Amino acid sequence: NAGVTQTPKFQVLKTGQSMTLQCAQDMNHEYMSWYRQDPGMGLRLIHYSVGAGITDQGEVPNGYNVSRSTTEDFPLRLLSAAPSQTSVYFCASSYSIAGGLAVPYEQYFGPGTRLTVT
Amino acid sequence: AQSVTQLDSQVPVFEEAPVELRCNYSSSVSVYLFWYVQYPNQGLQLLLKYLSGSTLVKGINGFEAEFNKSQTSFHLRKPSVHISDTAEYFCAVSDRGYQKVTFGTGTKLQVIP
Repeated sequence: NAGVTQTPKFQVLKTGQSMTLQCAQDMNHEYMSWYRQDPGMGLRLIHYSVGAGITDQGEVPNGYNVSRSTTEDFPLRLLSAAPSQTSVYFCASSYSIAGGLAVPYEQYFGPGTRLTVT
Repeated sequence: AQSVTQLDSQVPVFEEAPVELRCNYSSSVSVYLFWYVQYPNQGLQLLLKYLSGSTLVKGINGFEAEFNKSQTSFHLRKPSVHISDTAEYFCAVSDRGYQKVTFGTGTKLQVIP
C-alpha cells in the first residue's frame, strides 16, 4: 500500500493564482482531512470529509475549497492565493467506527506539500 | 469545544536521560487522545493512542503515556532517550462522537549527545 500520497511536494505561487493540492489514499478510509502547519501553531484543520460527497469546514477554511467525489481522493483548492497561505499542508486519512458515525481514530498522514505564495 | 495545551515548546535532554512531554486538554465530554511524532521534513506518524480502558498506554519506540482524567492530562514519557528521538511531538484530542481532531502546538525534543 502506498498509504497517503500528496502532490506536489513543493509549489511556489504568485498572489492571486489558483491551484489544487492533490491527496489520495489506498486504505479505503472514510475520513479524510486537510491541515496546515505553521511555526508555533501546530496543525490547524482546514476541511474534512466523512465520506464521498460529504465535506465540512474545519478551523481555518477561508480561501480553500474541497470536494470528495471518490473515497480515494480529497483535493484541496486554493481559489486566489495570498501570502498568508504560505505554509506546509498535510492530508490525512482515518478509519471510522464500524457501523456508526465517522469519527477519526488514528490518522495516517501524507508527506506534505510546502507552499510559498509571493 | 476541545483544546490542547503543550506548555513546553522545546525540551532539551541528554542522551539516555528520561523525558516527560506535557499535554493538557479541555473537553466537556469523554475524549480520545493521541501523541504523534514528526521527524524533520516528514509527515506525522502515530506514537500511541488512548481510546478507552487502561490509562497507561504504551506506544512505539519505548514511549508511554498516562491518561489522567482528573487532571485532564496525557503526558508522554520515555525512561531513556536516544539521539534518534530528536523530533517534534504533537498531542491531539478528539471528543467522542465529534468529527474534528485538535492538535497542540507541538514540543521539540532535542536529545543532546
